[in-house]
Amino acid sequence: KQEVTQIPAALSVPEGENLVLNCSFTDSAIYNLQWFRQDPGKGLTSLLLIQSSQREQTSGRLNASLDKSSGRSTLYIAASQPGDSATYLCAVRAAGTASKLTFGTGTRLQVTL
Amino acid sequence: DVKVTQSSRYLVKRTGEKVFLECVQDMDHENMFWYRQDPGLGLRLIYFSYDVKMKEKGDIPEGYSVSREKKERFSLILESASTNQTSMYLCASGTGGIYGYTFGSGTRLTVV
Repeated sequence: KQEVTQIPAALSVPEGENLVLNCSFTDSAIYNLQWFRQDPGKGLTSLLLIQSSQREQTSGRLNASLDKSSGRSTLYIAASQPGDSATYLCAVRAAGTASKLTFGTGTRLQVTL
Repeated sequence: DVKVTQSSRYLVKRTGEKVFLECVQDMDHENMFWYRQDPGLGLRLIYFSYDVKMKEKGDIPEGYSVSREKKERFSLILESASTNQTSMYLCASGTGGIYGYTFGSGTRLTVV
């Protein structure tokens, strides 16, 4: 059974810092990996999707990498801003199975002024 | 952009009531999902559906059922609500291919 772990569970950084969020998964046979953002009490907003054949994806200040063989993904946020404060979730879709996603428990990020 | 709409943002129901949570998507997606989210437990899959009238159990289906009579609508049913079903419920849809999945804004259900 696929298990997804995100470390750290919470992170507080001053504005302007670059930061890295980590996601690891136990079964490397994945179809793709998706990073989401969740604001308190709200739904999930998709940030980046990496297919299993890709190494990284970029969107603005965000860069996500994938090392499928080692079961790891990172989300890099450049020049963090207070508006980046949210919970970040990674989710993997397993290859060759139903299309469901398995989620990590998230990293709660606070960017302070 | 794909839109996934959940009919209620907040609901308060009494123990034993039958509760319907509705989810509608506007992109003709085959796949639709219901998750619940609880502190410390993350998102857990309740049920999912690949097509009209098709459904499969997720990881925690006990106490729930689903209905998918039309492709755009996927309903989650709590047959007899209990306090341990107080949670945030999230619906998602997608093709599961290169475009990933889109989530609704969630329904915060409180059972008293």
